[in-house]
Amino acid sequence: DIVMAQSPDFLAVSLGDRATINCKSSQTLLYSATKKNYLSWYQHKPGQPPKLLFYWASIRESGVPDRFSGSGSGTDFTLTISSLQAEDVAVYYCQQYYSTPRTFGQGTKVEIK
Amino acid sequence: EVQMVESGGGLVQPGGSLRLSCAASGFSFSNYAMSWVRLAPGKGLEWVSAISGPGGNTYYRDSVKGRFTISRDNSEDTLYLQLNNLRAEDTAVYYCAKDLYKYYYDSTIDYWGQGTLVTVSS
Repeated sequence: DIVMAQSPDFLAVSLGDRATINCKSSQTLLYSATKKNYLSWYQHKPGQPPKLLFYWASIRESGVPDRFSGSGSGTDFTLTISSLQAEDVAVYYCQQYYSTPRTFGQGTKVEIK
Repeated sequence: EVQMVESGGGLVQPGGSLRLSCAASGFSFSNYAMSWVRLAPGKGLEWVSAISGPGGNTYYRDSVKGRFTISRDNSEDTLYLQLNNLRAEDTAVYYCAKDLYKYYYDSTIDYWGQGTLVTVSS
C-alpha cells in the first residue's frame, strides 16, 4: 500500500496568516501515461462530511475559495491557505488514488492561534 | 443538489452482520463510481471499498476482503455495503461517497454523505 505522511499533525495559525500543510507519498503519484498526479485534498469539519478541495493535486473544486491552493508533483505535495479564516478550522487530509487501496494521510488539524 | 443518506448502522456483537444502505439523489447515479470510507474513533479516514458505475467491478481493502460486499441498485439509486463477521476494529462512522467519474480508476471522491455509525462490541 502507498503510505501517505502529512506534516505537521497540528497547526495553530493566527487569523490572516498563511497555513502550509505537507503531504509525502511513499511512491510517486505521477502517472507517466497521463502526466497527472493522483492526489486529492479534503477538508473535514466536526459534525460534517469531508469536503473535496483539490484533485489532480492542483485542480480546485468548484466553490473552494481561492485562498486555498494545491501544489506539488511526484511524491511531495502542499496545501496552502494564504490567509487563514475562522471557518477554515478543520482537519485536512491528502489522499492518493494512484493505486488500490486508496490511502489517506493521517490528517492535519488546523486551529486558530 | 447531490445528496447521499446512509442508514443501517448500529450496535452489533463481534461476528455479527449489518447491511448499510445509501440513498443517492441529485445526480445520475449509474454514471458514477461509488465508495465507502470509514472513520474510526480517534483515527483518520480509511477507504473501504468501491464499485464502478455500472456495478460490474468492485474493489476492497485487504482487511475487509471476504467479509464485506459492496453492491448497488441503479434502478433504485442505492448503494449497499454488507458487513459480515464484524470485528471490534470495524467500529467506525461509515461514509457513502460519490466519485468524480464513472469508473474507479482515474477517479477520486467528490461528495460524501453524513455517515452512519457502526459499533462492534459485546
